[in-house]
Amino acid sequence: DIQMTQSPSTLSASVGDRVTITCRASQSISFWVAWYQRKPGKAPKLLIYKASTLESGVPSRFSGSGSGTEFTLTISSLQPDDFATYYCQQYNNFSGTFGPGTTVEIK
Amino acid sequence: QITLKESGPSLIKPKQTLSLTCTLSGFSISSSGVGVAWIRQPPGKALEWLALIYWDDDKSFSSSLESRLSITKDTSKNQVVLTMTNMDPVDTGTYHCARRRSGAFGIGFFDYWGQGTLVTVSS
Repeated sequence: DIQMTQSPSTLSASVGDRVTITCRASQSISFWVAWYQRKPGKAPKLLIYKASTLESGVPSRFSGSGSGTEFTLTISSLQPDDFATYYCQQYNNFSGTFGPGTTVEIK
Repeated sequence: QITLKESGPSLIKPKQTLSLTCTLSGFSISSSGVGVAWIRQPPGKALEWLALIYWDDDKSFSSSLESRLSITKDTSKNQVVLTMTNMDPVDTGTYHCARRRSGAFGIGFFDYWGQGTLVTVSS
């Protein structure tokens, strides 16, 4: 099975900061990665798919990049609404593995 | 408006069988290209994809849990049902259903999610 790791596990940042989260796959998955945002008590929200395609309605401060085994999610200028946990998911095969998550907290 | 809502028992005893229902609104499980998945999250742990059913009744399962899972759809009620046998305390967690983006590669990604239902396995 393809394993996904994320770093860091927790990130402390301030409003206005540029934030980058890294997701690594245990083998090449081309660009078949999605990113989700999750807030306590709410359903996960799709942010990005196919590594870099922004989901409709998602603010342009979110961006994704990468291919193969290394991927990044970047928030260009952190907003108060962005403090949450972020998960990557690979869908290269017929088993969709999620990363362990990165929590972005207020510094 | 597209919504998914999970329902089922909040408490179940070890070795019992869990049955969860996902009620869909705003789209039909019988429409071409549609898929609905179940994904769970144990407390403090990562999300884990469990199973997926397509509009044509094709199904996919997590390889590690396949022997314990079944997934069915009721097109008349626009619902998807997940059944998991031989429940254990390690199966405690929040169970979500989610819609697979139509046309996505492989198992796909999920564009609409239910809020989830917390299932506790305890005697």
